[in-house]
Amino acid sequence: GAVVSQHPSRVICKSGTSVKIECRSLDFQATTMFWYRQFPKKSLMLMATSNEGSKATYEQGVEKDKFLINHASLTLSTLTVTSAHPEDSSFYICSAYRGRRELFFGEGSRLTVL
Amino acid sequence: GQQLNQSPQSMFIQEGEDVSMNCTSSSIFNTWLWYKQDPGEGPVLLIALYKAGELTSNGRLTAQFGITRKDSFLNISASIPSDVGIYFCAGQLGAGGTSYGKLTFGQGTILTVHP
Repeated sequence: GAVVSQHPSRVICKSGTSVKIECRSLDFQATTMFWYRQFPKKSLMLMATSNEGSKATYEQGVEKDKFLINHASLTLSTLTVTSAHPEDSSFYICSAYRGRRELFFGEGSRLTVL
Repeated sequence: GQQLNQSPQSMFIQEGEDVSMNCTSSSIFNTWLWYKQDPGEGPVLLIALYKAGELTSNGRLTAQFGITRKDSFLNISASIPSDVGIYFCAGQLGAGGTSYGKLTFGQGTILTVHP
């Protein structure tokens, strides 16, 4: 079964609203999680590294005020897309590092902004 | 930033045929990973390569970490319909630890297998 779970798997929202996506490690603690974004038929692009108990590290070109990341516990990281617009529509995927070179991806969350 | 050039972009093959895809980079990577992604799902790890020159198999899949550390290939032998999906290579630059999860992905190879 899945060891990293994302919720919701699909979300549709109106332009201007904020949407929160959760990433949970189900049977291990993850001090570090990662958020990726994927456009249709495109590659995964790393957005940020989520660090438990500290600020996330964002990749160049990713707006930190737009994509808020909170890693408040060892099993949960959240990505909040603030004031969403249609161009934010995408497939968001998280991964969690278990240590010893073990990295697990979530099932992804598809965001559609109308 | 780093880029991985993955080819081919897509492949249409008959069931039973062998498949080969590869990735090249201008940068040296410490780890090469190959993933498969089904529609609407997250990527699933197929093979991980940690040493230059390493050749690793996983069932009908075989992958190699190029000796220059700038390339890798994935072979699938005797393809079956369930091999359909998008295959991604991914490289990891860091020396280890939590940076292991910071991956650079290739553009993907879309594989279609005709019965």
